[in-house]
Amino acid sequence: EAGVVQSPRYKIIEKKQPVAFWCNPISGHNTLYWYRQNLGQGPELLIRYENEEAVDDSQLPKDRFSAERLKGVDSTLKIQPAELGDSAVYLCASSLDRLQETQYFGPGTRLLVL
Amino acid sequence: GNSVTQMEGPVTLSEEAFLTINCTYTATGYPSLFWYVQYPGEGLQLLLKATKADDKGSNKGFEATYRKETTSFHLEKGSVQVSDSAVYFCALSKIQGAQKLVFGQGTRLTINP
Repeated sequence: EAGVVQSPRYKIIEKKQPVAFWCNPISGHNTLYWYRQNLGQGPELLIRYENEEAVDDSQLPKDRFSAERLKGVDSTLKIQPAELGDSAVYLCASSLDRLQETQYFGPGTRLLVL
Repeated sequence: GNSVTQMEGPVTLSEEAFLTINCTYTATGYPSLFWYVQYPGEGLQLLLKATKADDKGSNKGFEATYRKETTSFHLEKGSVQVSDSAVYFCALSKIQGAQKLVFGQGTRLTINP
């Protein structure tokens, strides 16, 4: 069984530029999560999807961040414009449904904003 | 609110040494507790979990016991290997409409041959 796939693995951009990250969860997993992991810290939840609906986006900085999961499968997280403080690893995870304790994580996208 | 505190790293040990990584938590109610491991270049993987007080989670020689009285979930392994070098994250999960993971800051472990 394929795991959670993320791309790109690394991205370097200049500040004020836009950037997008893509995630393909494990087949059949209805719940999808985006986390941000700052250097030396644990992941922090940005947004959670149940199928195509964003049901917890309280930690998403909505002035510059957006996300979508149009068909309830793949998801894209976008930052526009990027700021220096957005440099971090962006992790995608999925689980069967919202009540399942075990989340499966992708390898992450490491973003560096110059 | 819910939070997790881990012992600060990095931790460096010799092969076959005994490992303890401390983890304490603050939560209302009765969370489930987890240890995740992140090997270099890979995503987080669930290492073990415990869902109620006095439960012991174990996997790959690692163990952790859910201690409600001390609000702790310390990770232990009797004899570490070079391949155990990774970053270890303690986490808790509470149902707040859905399972919501809260992570500690992580502890980097390096095992020297």
